[in-house]
Amino acid sequence: GNSVTQMEGPVTLSEEAFLTINCTYTATGYPSLFWYVQYPGEGLQLLLKATKADDKGSNKGFEATYRKETTSFHLEKGSVQVSDSAVYFCAHGSSNTGKLIFGQGTTLQVKP
Amino acid sequence: DSGVTQTPKHLITATGQRVTLRCSPRSGDLSVYWYQQSLDQGLQFLIQYYNGEERAKGNILERFSAQQFPDLHSELNLSSLELGDSALYFCASSVGTTRNTEAFFGQGTRLTVV
Repeated sequence: GNSVTQMEGPVTLSEEAFLTINCTYTATGYPSLFWYVQYPGEGLQLLLKATKADDKGSNKGFEATYRKETTSFHLEKGSVQVSDSAVYFCAHGSSNTGKLIFGQGTTLQVKP
Repeated sequence: DSGVTQTPKHLITATGQRVTLRCSPRSGDLSVYWYQQSLDQGLQFLIQYYNGEERAKGNILERFSAQQFPDLHSELNLSSLELGDSALYFCASSVGTTRNTEAFFGQGTRLTVV
């Protein structure tokens, strides 16, 4: 069935460190892939998305590339800030309904 | 601010009780989704309505039901509550219903069953 697997957290980094959060998926057809971010006490916000193979989504210094051959959509950022501390969710949309299948979420804590 | 409004923000109730969670979607969005976020299950899709009609169903218990009204707001009804129903319930809305659709999430209702 359709699923999303993310690397286990929490991830703790120092400010300006390089971030990678791994995400792999299983899906039928050609899903779109998303990264959502949840800041403390808030709802989820779309961070970036990619709708077809080899597309790169980017926003706020974060990037992720849709890799069909490895069924992956890893999130990267070159230099994290304390304000990036949040929970990051990888998700895919593969139906004609718009519903999302989420990974378990990865908590990122960035220390000054 | 996503434009999606959920009420109440917090709810504490006893086992066996029934509660109603409310969601107002963004202006112009026809589709409403309900998700449950719990520590052990993560973020799970419950149900979707599109323009008043049920469009998709996920891991929603029979004790739970939802509807979308003509003004497009939606309610999620949870009955015969159990301790395990304690979770954060999110509503999201979107314009379309394709695989590319971006969903906008409310801030959630935190339900605590005691």
